[in-house]
Amino acid sequence: AQKITQTQPGMFVQEKEAVTLDCTYDTSDQSYGLFWYKQPSSGEMIFLIYQGSYDEQNATEGRYSLNFQKARKSANLVISASQLGDSAMYFCAIPLPNQAGTALIFGKGTTLSVSS
Amino acid sequence: GAGVSQSPRYKVAKRGQDVALRCDPISGHVSLFWYQQALGQGPEFLTYFQNEAQLDKSGLPSDRFFAERPEGSVSTLKIQRTQQEDSAVYLCASSATGGVFQPQHFGDGTRLSIL
Repeated sequence: AQKITQTQPGMFVQEKEAVTLDCTYDTSDQSYGLFWYKQPSSGEMIFLIYQGSYDEQNATEGRYSLNFQKARKSANLVISASQLGDSAMYFCAIPLPNQAGTALIFGKGTTLSVSS
Repeated sequence: GAGVSQSPRYKVAKRGQDVALRCDPISGHVSLFWYQQALGQGPEFLTYFQNEAQLDKSGLPSDRFFAERPEGSVSTLKIQRTQQEDSAVYLCASSATGGVFQPQHFGDGTRLSIL
């Protein structure tokens, strides 16, 4: 069964520092996507970055990058040069196997707090 | 609109009342998902539509929960005879095709409080 583990309930970092948010997953699928979402206190879920299981290069999107280690089933999110606006809850997610469309299973999330 | 739109943003109801939550997905998106998010937790899948067809409702917690998408665009999640445990944020998401490599785009959610 699909499972997502985020072991860091909270992370604290100062502005301009880099931070790594951990995510490990378990899936029986050979082909899948791995997604990261940001949820500020206002509640909206914002898509950040995606990694396909067959992508050989780690995904990058602006200040966000994925440290994807398929053999270890690990997909850590790296945020470079943290900003105050990065303070939020971060969720890692992987698709559930489904008939056609694929719903996501989410980890419990990591709360990131950025201070000045 | 440009993104997924959900209404109302907040809903307060008394236990036993029926509620209806609306989701307007991104135009042209085939797939639509509903999730329930308890406080401090990640979202949990409720149901999935491809166009007007409800292909998976395995996550609906009871037969009091009902969802529809009659014309393949706007969707409504209805909860009958609400209970206090139904209090949560209900998130709607859409994606272009629903495939494993497609990101889902979420609305702001409806925060439901049952008194």
